[in-house]
Amino acid sequence: QVQLVQSGAEVKKPGASVKVSCETSGYIFTTYGVSWVRQAPGQGLQWMGWISAYNGHTNYAQMFQGRVTMTTDTSTNMAYLELRSLRADDTAVYYCARHYGGNSGASLDYWGQGTLVTVSS
Amino acid sequence: DIQMTQSPSSLSASVGDRVTITCRASQTISNYLNWYQQKPGKAPKLLIYAASILHSGVPSRFNGSGSGTDFTLTISRLQTEDFAIYYCQQTYSTLYTFGQGTRLDIK
Repeated sequence: QVQLVQSGAEVKKPGASVKVSCETSGYIFTTYGVSWVRQAPGQGLQWMGWISAYNGHTNYAQMFQGRVTMTTDTSTNMAYLELRSLRADDTAVYYCARHYGGNSGASLDYWGQGTLVTVSS
Repeated sequence: DIQMTQSPSSLSASVGDRVTITCRASQTISNYLNWYQQKPGKAPKLLIYAASILHSGVPSRFNGSGSGTDFTLTISRLQTEDFAIYYCQQTYSTLYTFGQGTRLDIK
């Protein structure tokens, strides 16, 4: 069965970077992409961007441009999210999700369990 | 950015009821509309994609419809496990956006 398993919770200081991993299994990794979505405490869902596991192409939400890097490792079927220059308002649960489709008409059909990133001095 | 507006923001209903949640896009998005369900402390789950297609394993009491700018999610015969927060999401533009969510509580 399709599974996405994320790395554990992180506590970071303002200005630091965080890298969240997402281990996938149960499907052909390079046939899909991986989207990243975050959710601040008590708030709604915010899509951050996605990466094609087929060719590594990325599409980042503009508000994260310059601070975010999404990568994949096709040898281990892993996806990674790096967010730099962390601020207190980056405190959130970060989810990876399997991205089915291209840039338009996609759906996020299976999700990881989430990784809590806390940014605090 | 395409704004997605859900109504109502919250809703109380009883087991066995039929409920409808509406999602409106600020511009046309064809049928590039997904619905997700999220329970407290859990990751969202895909319910419906392309406005009306049920994701694998989702019960048939969930139904999605609409195109253009107006979409609905209907749950017939509410079950206990359906009480959750529901989000719509557009994937028409290259910047995907979610609605603010609709909280469905037990009356």
